Amino acid sequence: EDQVTQSPEALRLQEGESSSLNCSYTVSGLRGLFWYRQDPGKGPEFLFTLYSAGEEKEKERLKATLTKKESFLHITAPKPEDSATYLCAVRPSGGSNYKLTFGKGTLLTVNP
Amino acid sequence: SQTIHQWPATLVQPVGSPLSLECTVEGTSNPNLYWYRQAAGRGLQLLFYSVGIGQISSEVPQNLSASRPQDRQFILSSKKLLLSDSGFYLCAWRGIGNIQYFGAGTRLSVL
Repeated sequence: EDQVTQSPEALRLQEGESSSLNCSYTVSGLRGLFWYRQDPGKGPEFLFTLYSAGEEKEKERLKATLTKKESFLHITAPKPEDSATYLCAVRPSGGSNYKLTFGKGTLLTVNP
Repeated sequence: SQTIHQWPATLVQPVGSPLSLECTVEGTSNPNLYWYRQAAGRGLQLLFYSVGIGQISSEVPQNLSASRPQDRQFILSSKKLLLSDSGFYLCAWRGIGNIQYFGAGTRLSVL
């Protein structure tokens, strides 16, 4: 069974304090790893897709990286507006490749 | 560009009442559509998946059903709501690169 574990569950940072969120996964052949941002009471918003180990994607203060077992979302010099829940999801190969398996998310709070 | 609409945004229903949540997608044809439920501390749970009109796959046995009467319309229903049906319901469509794009969600409280 495909599994996605995100850590930590919650993270508090001071503005400007860089850190990383972790997404560990177990999947029967990875066809894609997805990062989303979700603001309270809203639907998840797509950030990145990673397909193979060693791949990196960047967007403003965010950089996502991928290894064979986990992905990291690095946040450089965060601002209060980066506060949100960050979700990780994997798409497996094989018969269930139509769906994504999501982790429970990391709630990031950035204090000014 | 493609957009996805969900309504209502919030809903408070008594136990035993029926439910109908609607989702529509604009700007694309024959999209793959999904219904998820997000409960506190549990992440997104896939409920139903549809590849076309009248084609519904159920992922989890439950008190809910789904229908797709039109190409870009996806409906989540229940005949009698349970307390455990409370949660945040999200509709999504699958775009290029298998990216799923989500609606704004419906917060359902069953009392």
